[in-house]
Amino acid sequence: GAGVSQSPSNKVTEKGKDVELRCDPISGHTALYWYRQSLGQGLEFLIYFQGNSAPDKSGLPSDRFSAERTGGSVSTLTIQRTQQEDSAVYLCASSFWTGGPYEQYFGPGTRLTVT
Amino acid sequence: AQTVTQSQPEMSVQEAETVTLSCTYDTSESDYYLFWYKQPPSRQMILVIRQEAYKQQNATENRFSVNFQKAAKSFSLKISDSQLGDAAMYFCAYRRWGNNDMRFGAGTRLTVKP
Repeated sequence: GAGVSQSPSNKVTEKGKDVELRCDPISGHTALYWYRQSLGQGLEFLIYFQGNSAPDKSGLPSDRFSAERTGGSVSTLTIQRTQQEDSAVYLCASSFWTGGPYEQYFGPGTRLTVT
Repeated sequence: AQTVTQSQPEMSVQEAETVTLSCTYDTSESDYYLFWYKQPPSRQMILVIRQEAYKQQNATENRFSVNFQKAAKSFSLKISDSQLGDAAMYFCAYRRWGNNDMRFGAGTRLTVKP
């Protein structure tokens, strides 16, 4: 079946502009995660959605970052007034309910470059 | 807070040889899951192997196996008969039962020499 998809695969933007990154999770997965991976680094948790519950936004680095998930499926991560330090790969993942040993399935990521 | 430490930023192995990647974690929980993910240059994170903390038996998946030492909070990955396609970044990850986020280590870059 189809995996997690993300678009665009690459995005170059000017400092100060807003960007939107899209994630399509695997059908039937109730949990959706966003991570940020800076060059050569590990994954930094950003935000988590589980079903219709309020999202866990504890990892968002500033109020310039926001995310929504419409209809329990597609999610959009928005970065307002982008800064050069926002340059990174943004990874989306989805999984079944977190109570079990379910792994997260990752998308290919969006490489964001802020010039 | 749970933290995951991978003390080897880079490792290399000769093709067909065996290599072990280290991972330690810090937690006060007793019920959790541990994972090893592989990230090749394509950026696609792929699950290699998982371990449930309540299981004493070490998980194995073909050429991949783990050495899970719960008391020592250690979770190493052994790759046997290394292949060129094993070259990638390897991330160790921890998730507490019922918790939202997965905690990742900084990764180990594995090079396989022909």
